[in-house]
Amino acid sequence: KAGVTQTPRYLIKTRGQQVTLSCSPISGHRSVSWYQQTPGQGLQFLFEYFSETQRNKGNFPGRFSGRQFSNSRSEMNVSTLELGDSALYLCASSKTGDTQYFGPGTRLTVL
Amino acid sequence: GENVEQHPSTLSVQEGDSAVIKCTYSDSASNYFPWYKQELGKGPQLIIDIRSNVGEKKDQRIAVTLNKTAKHFSLHITETQPEDSAVYFCAASPKGSGGSNYKLTFGKGTLLTVNP
Repeated sequence: KAGVTQTPRYLIKTRGQQVTLSCSPISGHRSVSWYQQTPGQGLQFLFEYFSETQRNKGNFPGRFSGRQFSNSRSEMNVSTLELGDSALYLCASSKTGDTQYFGPGTRLTVL
Repeated sequence: GENVEQHPSTLSVQEGDSAVIKCTYSDSASNYFPWYKQELGKGPQLIIDIRSNVGEKKDQRIAVTLNKTAKHFSLHITETQPEDSAVYFCAASPKGSGGSNYKLTFGKGTLLTVNP
């Protein structure tokens, strides 16, 4: 069974730009969660989608948004990028939201 | 909201020794406690998890214990091997609406080094 895939794996952007990251969950999983990982703040929850609906949201500004498609694939978008948005963005999939399996992440660098 | 404290931040052991990592949580509504191992350049890998209706769970060399009264849970790795070297994260999550957990709060991580 294929694991969680994330694209792209690496991304370099400049301040003010926007970015879209993609996540394909494990086949059969309907829940997708997004996390930001930085050396200073660690792993922080961004939001979770289940059957195309956002069920929960973390404490991030509105520049961070996401969506989920009918095939459970998910995207997250960050608008007006800031230097502090440089991080590893991780996607995790779950059948019901319980046990979560992480992808390899997308490393975003904002210059 | 939930707050998870993890100790120690670094741990160095000799191959064959045991390693113990401890976490405390603040939200009594939390009832799901997974542990993840993260190697350099990779995403976190689930290694074991425990739910609040269980006090201990074991999987080969790895065990997790939970004390709900004290809001403590711990990871125990026995007979450590160099390939166990990685960053380990504990996490806690409440049971969300609809019967599923959907928000993990993570500890800051423990860098475990197993010296050959």
